[in-house]
Amino acid sequence: KAGVTQTPRYLIKTRGQQVTLSCSPISGHRSVSWYQQTPGQGLQFLFEYFSETQRNKGNFPGRFSGRQFSNSRSEMNVSTLELGDSALYLCASLEGDPAGELFFGEGSRLTVL
Amino acid sequence: LAKTTQPISMDSYEGQEVNITCSHNNIATNDYITWYQQFPSQGPRFIIQGYKTKVTNEVASLFIPADRKSSTLSLPRVSLSDTAVYYCLVGEINTGGFKTIFGAGTRLFVKA
Repeated sequence: KAGVTQTPRYLIKTRGQQVTLSCSPISGHRSVSWYQQTPGQGLQFLFEYFSETQRNKGNFPGRFSGRQFSNSRSEMNVSTLELGDSALYLCASLEGDPAGELFFGEGSRLTVL
Repeated sequence: LAKTTQPISMDSYEGQEVNITCSHNNIATNDYITWYQQFPSQGPRFIIQGYKTKVTNEVASLFIPADRKSSTLSLPRVSLSDTAVYYCLVGEINTGGFKTIFGAGTRLFVKA
């Protein structure tokens, strides 16, 4: 089966701009979660969506938001970009909710200049 | 949420068994323990998951003592391709979904 697809893979933005990242989960998976990975902070949980509803949220400012569509595809948005938002953003879909296996995409690498 | 502590890095040689221990002193009753492997510029990949005692699959074993305050990932006969970062993950299960807390990970270097 097709894996988790994230687009775009790479992007460069400048401070103050906003960015939208997309994630298509594995077919049939209804839970999508997002993570930020940086060298300094490691892998940090952003939020999790299930059936178009945000079920859990990590400790990130309100500039980070997301949504999920009826086909389970998800987007995350970061507004008013800061240099520290440069990171690899990973999304994962879950099989065997809730105590199951996370399938990660390749990630979207965001560089903020 | 249970925080995890792992060694920052470990070295090994091809063919050896590698054991990576993760501490999670505040693990809750409903938490499960999962290990992931990550190569550079890729998303993490599931290795193994357990709740208590011992779990074994085709690539690894997971040992969890009775108090569940720690867990040990065992990789038998590692090869160069096992060089990666290994994350111990404690997942909180609740009726409202889950939160996942990744530790800093353990960088495993396998030498020839």
